[in-house]
Amino acid sequence: QVTLRESGPALVKPTQTLTLTCTFSGFSLTTSGMCVSWIRQPPGKALEWLARIDWDGDKHHSASLKTRLTISKDTSKNQVVLILTNMDPVDTATYYCARTVTTVTNDGFDIWGQGTMVTVSS
Amino acid sequence: QSVLTQPPSASGTPGQRVTISCSGSSSNIGSKFVYWYRQLPGTAPKLLIYEDNRRPSGVPDRFSGSKSGTSASLAISGLRSEDEADYYCAAWDARLSGPAFGGGTKLTVL
Repeated sequence: QVTLRESGPALVKPTQTLTLTCTFSGFSLTTSGMCVSWIRQPPGKALEWLARIDWDGDKHHSASLKTRLTISKDTSKNQVVLILTNMDPVDTATYYCARTVTTVTNDGFDIWGQGTMVTVSS
Repeated sequence: QSVLTQPPSASGTPGQRVTISCSGSSSNIGSKFVYWYRQLPGTAPKLLIYEDNRRPSGVPDRFSGSKSGTSASLAISGLRSEDEADYYCAAWDARLSGPAFGGGTKLTVL
């Protein structure tokens, strides 16, 4: 069974750095075609893709947030970490991690974590 | 403003067929695959359609996707009360260098 679970702080102050961890099971991020993305959703608003890391180490970042984002993986721990710097209240959102298997669903996110709500407030 | 444009709402009665549209451009829908997700209240999205019109295992054939040019559609036939949810389209966008999502369509089953 494939699962993903997000973890991190529920509250951060403006200008602080957010670090989120996606811990997954049921697949390996060293298998060809496997990728993990971060996607966020502000309250009552639409989904926004942030970044993706692939099985081969390739990284893709949203052009609008590229300067603030870092994505990395620890395959030994089955974890993907997202770092978002200089947090602002507009970054308040539920943050999801999701899997893509490019060899099966191309760019589709086939399994999602439950999401973690992050509020940016002083 | 979302890169992909969806109607904010749609509705139908049980048993009816409804369609939800998604409009984009040559940098996304016009040249890349379209994906559709359903999000029930308070839950994570679920993949309904991938590669324009393919269904993942477990998704009933009441759900179908189509694409023409820079627009795509999701059709739901035999509408049920449990189909009441938010629906999002998505496609890789060359300018974003990643997936773009539509603004979402809230489907109400009357």
